[in-house]
Amino acid sequence: DQQVKQNSPSLSVQEGRISILNCDYTNSMFDYFLWYKKYPAEGPTFLISISSIKDKNEDGRFTVFLNKSAKHLSLHIVPSQPGDSAVYFCAANPGNTPLVFGKGTRLSVIA
Amino acid sequence: NAGVTQTPKFRILKIGQSMTLQCAQDMNHNYMYWYRQDPGMGLKLIYYSVGAGITDKGEVPNGYNVSRSTTEDFPLRLELAAPSQTSVYFCASSYRRETGNEQFFGPGTRLTVL
Repeated sequence: DQQVKQNSPSLSVQEGRISILNCDYTNSMFDYFLWYKKYPAEGPTFLISISSIKDKNEDGRFTVFLNKSAKHLSLHIVPSQPGDSAVYFCAANPGNTPLVFGKGTRLSVIA
Repeated sequence: NAGVTQTPKFRILKIGQSMTLQCAQDMNHNYMYWYRQDPGMGLKLIYYSVGAGITDKGEVPNGYNVSRSTTEDFPLRLELAAPSQTSVYFCASSYRRETGNEQFFGPGTRLTVL
């Protein structure tokens, strides 16, 4: 039973436009949500996180939005750059147990 | 700091062979994790540890064993390798902090079982 779902396996966006990556979850007890970025042949790296008590967190070109009533979060990248092409994983923190990861969305930014 | 290091980077095993994937971290993190990532799939947790001497099963522990004798090291043992264990294995570590258990990952070990 997938607690964290990324329903879009891939996304293509033109350079300079906005990339929106989506994530849905089922467990209302998650207290933090995180996004990780993964390049081929490398381990995932932490990108940005948001507490469940907030609805927005911004870090440079990256913004994460949380809609608790819909159990949905999204990562916005503006403007998108070719170097953003990677697989993005959504993850949720259930508290005292390890993070729960989604299956990932492959973002391709086309120059 | 080297962060999280993993050895080897690549390995080919024959069915039934055994091996140990090494993982070390120099950040003094209490928590360490082993994941596997199959093609087109997400990260599946194999085992984790919340401190030296303490380990717990994750989502897919069958066919694997771990030990945590020191804070720094968390080796993953494969006994009787099977083709289903062909995957990329990632080790990670973290510390508890208010931003939500951010994990630091190693570069991965690509394992093929033939």
